[in-house]
Amino acid sequence: EVQLLESGGGLVQPGGSLRLSCAASGFTFSSFAMSWVRQAPGKGLEWVSVISGSGGRTYYTDSVKGRFIISRDNSKNTLYLQMNSLRAEDTAVYYCAKWFGDFGAVRGWFDPWGQGSLVTVSS
Amino acid sequence: DIQMTQSPSSVSASGGDRVTITCRASQDISRWLAWYQQKPGKAPKLLIYAASTLQSGVPSRFSGSGSGTDFTLTISSLQPEDFATYYCQQAYSFPYTFGQGTKLEIK
Repeated sequence: EVQLLESGGGLVQPGGSLRLSCAASGFTFSSFAMSWVRQAPGKGLEWVSVISGSGGRTYYTDSVKGRFIISRDNSKNTLYLQMNSLRAEDTAVYYCAKWFGDFGAVRGWFDPWGQGSLVTVSS
Repeated sequence: DIQMTQSPSSVSASGGDRVTITCRASQDISRWLAWYQQKPGKAPKLLIYAASTLQSGVPSRFSGSGSGTDFTLTISSLQPEDFATYYCQQAYSFPYTFGQGTKLEIK
């Protein structure tokens, strides 16, 4: 059974940094792209970033480019999201998700999702 | 960015009813569309991908159709566990974008 378990969320001041982790099990981690999707309180879903299975290709939504870094350690079956220069509008539950589809054409979807990790940016 | 517009934003229905949710893309996305179900406090769950392919383990009362810019999710006979919020997602190009959600409530 595929399991994804996020950790590292919490309260951080504006301008601060936080690193989220997502521990994966139940599948060959290095063979699959992985993604982060977030959901602000009471709002809809927003895709954040995706990384290829090898880690060699990464993509971001414009609002986090230059501030967030997605990475992975395939030896530890773990996905990361380093979040810097955090803003109030980054407050959300962050989900990691296994990505599948056509990565060559960067077209795909998310399944399954982890349980989420809440990040609150506030002074 | 490709805009995804769902309708209705909310719908009230009773057990056994047939419900249809629509999703419109701002440009042609072929069949690169997925549908997710989310219950309060839980992570989204993939129901349908490639517009009409049912994900493994999803009940057959769920179905999807459409291509290009117009898509539908149909639940043929509502069960108590189906009351949730549903999102569409375009998988055609970055940034991937979601519809605003359709909340399915008990009448």
